[in-house]
Amino acid sequence: GENVEQHPSTLSVQEGDSAVIKCTYSDSASNYFPWYKQELGKRPQLIIDIRSNVGEKKDQRIAVTLNKTAKHFSLHITETQPEDSAVYFCAASIRGNYQLIWGAGTKLIIKP
Amino acid sequence: GAVVSQHPSWVICKSGTSVKIECRSLDFQATTMFWYRQFPKQSLMLMATSNEGSKATYEQGVEKDKFLINHASLTLSTLTVTSAHPEDSSFYICSAEDLPGLRTYEQYFGPGTRLTVT
Repeated sequence: GENVEQHPSTLSVQEGDSAVIKCTYSDSASNYFPWYKQELGKRPQLIIDIRSNVGEKKDQRIAVTLNKTAKHFSLHITETQPEDSAVYFCAASIRGNYQLIWGAGTKLIIKP
Repeated sequence: GAVVSQHPSWVICKSGTSVKIECRSLDFQATTMFWYRQFPKQSLMLMATSNEGSKATYEQGVEKDKFLINHASLTLSTLTVTSAHPEDSSFYICSAEDLPGLRTYEQYFGPGTRLTVT
């Protein structure tokens, strides 16, 4: 079955710097890759997603890139701010199956 | 956007009792809902996929007789933790998909239920 690996588990960056979180997946049939942000004790919130027919997607300070050949996708956050501190999860969905396979999560810490 | 609610937001129960958690899609119909469990500092673990009008599909290692799921309507799914034990204490989150015809792929999450078993 599908397996999603996420790195790093913890990422600490200076406010204003960029943060990059990487995920790899195993099943080439996966065609949908969302990124979720979860604050402590709250629900995961979708921040950006990408489908397999697109290589890159950007939304203000957030961008996601997808390399289908290498089976990896990355989240890029530029000009980080204190409110970006949270746990970020990547996920992958297999074509025709709504089920999401989740990465282990990355705790992002923005240092003032 | 689509809204999913959960009730209760937190519950404390005694060991051996049962607890029911409700998940509702408020402004859309969901033929498929998912139930997750999340332990502190860990990722979401899918417990089961709930389909309206049919039996839920449980993930490997999840006891179907302990975690009873009922998806009686297009807007409501319930998870009942039977004979709860302290190790069942966790954060339970549901999510829902729009009707298949929309194929947005996005899952909408409920706010979660914090269960503490004493």
